[in-house]
Amino acid sequence: DIQLTQSPSFLSASVGDRVTITCRASQGISSYLAWYQQKPGKAPNLLIYSASTLQRGVPLRFSGSGSGTEFTLTISSLQPEDFATYYCQEVNSYPYTFGQGTKLEIK
Amino acid sequence: QITLKESGPTLVKPTQTLTLTCTFSGFSLSTSGVAVGWIRQPPGKALEWLALIYWDDDKRYNPSLRGRLTITKDTSKNQVVLTMTNMDPVDTATYYCAHRLSAAAAGQEDYFDYWGQGALVTVSS
Repeated sequence: DIQLTQSPSFLSASVGDRVTITCRASQGISSYLAWYQQKPGKAPNLLIYSASTLQRGVPLRFSGSGSGTEFTLTISSLQPEDFATYYCQEVNSYPYTFGQGTKLEIK
Repeated sequence: QITLKESGPTLVKPTQTLTLTCTFSGFSLSTSGVAVGWIRQPPGKALEWLALIYWDDDKRYNPSLRGRLTITKDTSKNQVVLTMTNMDPVDTATYYCAHRLSAAAAGQEDYFDYWGQGALVTVSS
């Protein structure tokens, strides 16, 4: 199975900050990667797919980049509603795995 | 409008079989390119991909569950059923079903764009 490692696991930031979360794959996965946002008690919400394609309805402050084994999710200017946990997921090969999550907290 | 909702028992005993039903609307599982998957999340932990069923009845499973999973579909009822045998307390989790992002958007890539609200299943004697 492909392992995904997210860093950092916890991130403290302020409204208006630019933040970046990294997801590293144990082997090359081309651009077959998604980013999800999850708020407490809610289902995950698809933000980015194919590493860099913004899902319909997702604010433009979210962006994704990378290919192969290293990927990043960037939020250009944090808004209060962005404080949540973020997961990457690979869809290169079954079983599709998720990263361990990055919890973004208010500083 | 696409919606999905999970249903099933909230409490199961160890060694029992869990049966969860995902009832959906807004799409058909007989349409080419459509798929529905199951994902779970133990309390306070990360997401785990479990299984996926495609419109053509192709099925994929997470081998870490060692053959305990079965996924089926009933297109006439707009339902997908997941069964998990030999339940253990470590299987306590919120179980989600989710709709695969359209092939028009993502080609052959299996991302989930619509999710159910989740069903918490506790395994305890």
